[in-house]
Amino acid sequence: KQEVTQIPAALSVPEGENLVLNCSFTDSAIYNLQWFRQDHGKGLTSLLLIQSSQREQTSGRLNASLDKSSGRSTLYIAASQPGDSATYLCAKPESGAGSYQLTFGKGTKLSVIP
Amino acid sequence: GAVVSQHPSWVICKSGTSVKIECRSLDFQATTMFWYRQFPKQSLMLMATSNEGSKATYEQGVEKDKFLINHASLTLSTLTVTSAHPEDSSFYICSATGSTGYTFGSGTRLTVV
Repeated sequence: KQEVTQIPAALSVPEGENLVLNCSFTDSAIYNLQWFRQDHGKGLTSLLLIQSSQREQTSGRLNASLDKSSGRSTLYIAASQPGDSATYLCAKPESGAGSYQLTFGKGTKLSVIP
Repeated sequence: GAVVSQHPSWVICKSGTSVKIECRSLDFQATTMFWYRQFPKQSLMLMATSNEGSKATYEQGVEKDKFLINHASLTLSTLTVTSAHPEDSSFYICSATGSTGYTFGSGTRLTVV
């Protein structure tokens, strides 16, 4: 079973700072990779989905990149705001025909200080 | 966009009782739904994969007789925690696949006392 690792586990930054969250995976066979946001005690909100044919996706202040050769993805958050405080999870499907099972990283807990 | 509705959002039950959690896809048909469990400060762990009209596929270590999954229609999957014990207290989240990737329910916080 593949592993998905997220670094750092926690991050605290002052408001307005740009930041990068990292995600690495052991299985280089990739169909897609997805970034989620989870507020404390809540479900997951999908932020960005990168298909294997894509190198990056952008949504507002968020930009996610995918480097299949190195098994890495990064989530870039520009001009961070206190409302960005949450846990950010990356996940990718298990490889294999017809498999849609997601493997999640443990997440990066982000705190943006006003 | 795709929406998955999960109910209840939280439930407290006594040991030995059963609890049912519902997960509905509101604006799309979900052939496959996934059930996850999340313990404090841990990531989501897949419990089972539910396919409409067939038996669920459980991950290793998950008791199928304890966590009953029913996926009777393309828009509804249910997870029933039977004979609940305090160690079953956790955050349960369902997910469905759609055209925009994976959509998650808002989760259910189960506390067994």
